[in-house]
Amino acid sequence: EVQLVESGGGLVQPGRSLRLSCAVSGFTIDDYALHWVRQVPGKGLEWVSGISWHSGNIYYADSVKGRFTISRDNAKNSLYLQMNSLRAEDTALYYCAKDVSPTVGPTVGGFDCWGQGALVTVSS
Amino acid sequence: QSVLTQPPSVSAAAGQTVTISCSGSSSNIGNNFLSWYQQFPGTAPKLLIYDNDKRPSGIPDRFSASKSATSATLGITGLQTGDEADYYCGTWDSSLTTVVFGGGTKLTVL
Repeated sequence: EVQLVESGGGLVQPGRSLRLSCAVSGFTIDDYALHWVRQVPGKGLEWVSGISWHSGNIYYADSVKGRFTISRDNAKNSLYLQMNSLRAEDTALYYCAKDVSPTVGPTVGGFDCWGQGALVTVSS
Repeated sequence: QSVLTQPPSVSAAAGQTVTISCSGSSSNIGNNFLSWYQQFPGTAPKLLIYDNDKRPSGIPDRFSASKSATSATLGITGLQTGDEADYYCGTWDSSLTTVVFGGGTKLTVL
């Protein structure tokens, strides 16, 4: 069974850091791009960042550029998101998602597997 | 304000057909693959359509999609009450170099 399980969410004060992890089982991530997508409860989807299969292509939303860092460990079948200088507007449910394509860019075809999400709340 | 424009809501009677539009530009829909997602409250999105018009295994052929120039349409035939959900379109934007989503459309089955 394919599973993506996020962890590392929680309540954090503005300006602090948090690291999300996404453990993947049921398939090897080597051949696929991976992404983080967030959603404020009751609102729409917002793409955060994506990383290609070999980590050679990495992109970020402008809203998180310079503060968040995406990474992956294919040997551990895992995806990560290091979030620094967190702001109240970063409060959301963070999903990890698998791309049908190996690269991030014009070949992004769709996200066919999603985790259940990790809730990040930034508040003092 | 989302880069891709979707109607906030659509409705149709059970058994009928409904379409959901997604409008963009040449930097996104016009030149990149489009995907569609279904999301029920409290659950993760589910891929309905990828690469413009392909259905993943397990998605019934009641769901279809088409793309023309800078807009796209998701069609759902034989509407069921279980289709009531939020629907999102998404694609790569070559100018922004980011993935962009539509604002989402809430489908109500009357």
